[in-house]
Amino acid sequence: EPEVTQTPSHQVTQMGQEVILRCVPISNHLYFYWYRQILGQKVEFLVSFYNNEISEKSEIFDDQFSVERPDGSNFTLKIRSTKLEDSAMYFCASSPWDRNEKLFFGSGTQLSVL
Amino acid sequence: DQQVKQNSPSLSVQEGRISILNCDYTNSMFDYFLWYKKYPAEGPTFLISISSIKDKNEDGRFTVFLNKSAKHLSLHIVPSQPGDSAVYFCAARDVNTDKLIFGTGTRLQVFP
Repeated sequence: EPEVTQTPSHQVTQMGQEVILRCVPISNHLYFYWYRQILGQKVEFLVSFYNNEISEKSEIFDDQFSVERPDGSNFTLKIRSTKLEDSAMYFCASSPWDRNEKLFFGSGTQLSVL
Repeated sequence: DQQVKQNSPSLSVQEGRISILNCDYTNSMFDYFLWYKKYPAEGPTFLISISSIKDKNEDGRFTVFLNKSAKHLSLHIVPSQPGDSAVYFCAARDVNTDKLIFGTGTRLQVFP
């Protein structure tokens, strides 16, 4: 069964450093998402992406965050200058059609900012 | 601003019995509700969903009930199995947006 893959599974970085989290969505999917979960808290929406542009973003997704689909397979989340509060599990998700609630999630990247 | 609430952080049920996981919401613009299951070191996986125009949806051992007037939904698992032990997230979709709003999750443990 096709799946969303995320790399790395763990990322440790120093505060102020840039990180790039990588995702390979399911190949025939068109809609891509990033969510995150801070330890002990709910899964939070960050951004949705379609047709090479952001379709929606949350208040969390400020100027420090950016997303990109650099080629036909990868979908990346960049945090330009990490803060301690960015420490979380970041989930990539994809879906084959618009407003499809049945998102397919990757296994996540655990980001630790020291 | 918790639009989707799961007030029970954990639930322990004996194998073979019914597990009932509850979820409350505040936003009247939610048109679709879902349950996701999450095992450790994995991403959430879709389990079952229900449209706001229905009050029940059943899939095998899993049934979701929606009470719109009370803004409450529940997931029933019967009979519960040890493999059902996981964190269960309730989620809702706002009719006006492209995002899911998740609850904080309930950790279900099914013991033999």
